[in-house]
Amino acid sequence: GESVGLHLPTLSVQEGDNSIINCAYSNSASDYFIWYKQESGKGPQFIIDIRSNMDKRQGQRVTVLLNKTVKHLSLQIAATQPGDSAVYFCAEIIQGAQKLVFGQGTRLTINP
Amino acid sequence: KAGVTQTPRYLIKTRGQQVTLSCSPISGHRSVSWYQQTPGQGLQFLFEYFSETQRNKGNFPGRFSGRQFSNSRSEMNVSTLELGDSALYLCASSPPWSYEQYFGPGTRLTVT
Repeated sequence: GESVGLHLPTLSVQEGDNSIINCAYSNSASDYFIWYKQESGKGPQFIIDIRSNMDKRQGQRVTVLLNKTVKHLSLQIAATQPGDSAVYFCAEIIQGAQKLVFGQGTRLTINP
Repeated sequence: KAGVTQTPRYLIKTRGQQVTLSCSPISGHRSVSWYQQTPGQGLQFLFEYFSETQRNKGNFPGRFSGRQFSNSRSEMNVSTLELGDSALYLCASSPPWSYEQYFGPGTRLTVT
């Protein structure tokens, strides 16, 4: 069915450390995945995306890894900063459908 | 380029009333999607419009409806409001030939 789940609802890391946020998806027909960041009082902000024909994609301080064998997605944030504190959502799009299926979100807290 | 704008930002209504929310997409974006965000259910897809036609629809009752105008601006309407309709309603627009969705700040609806 259409469902995207997250392993952990909260994650706390020390400023400067790396963080990894995980996500499991269930629909093998999903061919596009996006990570969003949502700060309090704001709408989700696009971070990085990856297509199903890729295993890894890197951006500025962020890396997304996709393991299609176990239907697992992760977001790695390097050298975390206080501004990285937010709720992070993974979302999937099933081929041919212009709609995002979101996970429940992980709240990332950066400790000084 | 201006981002997605939503009006109003905050709204308080009573049960039984109806409400109309507005969304202006990023210039050049023709696809507009609507999502409901609640603490319990997370982000859930309502519907998506493209060129004034509803292209995708989520699993919401018929009280939730929408439309899109020729300038790509979109409105969503909720009739006979219920307490459970209290949520943050997010609008997102997509550029042509892309799955990327850019979100507005949302409209916070409170039903009393």
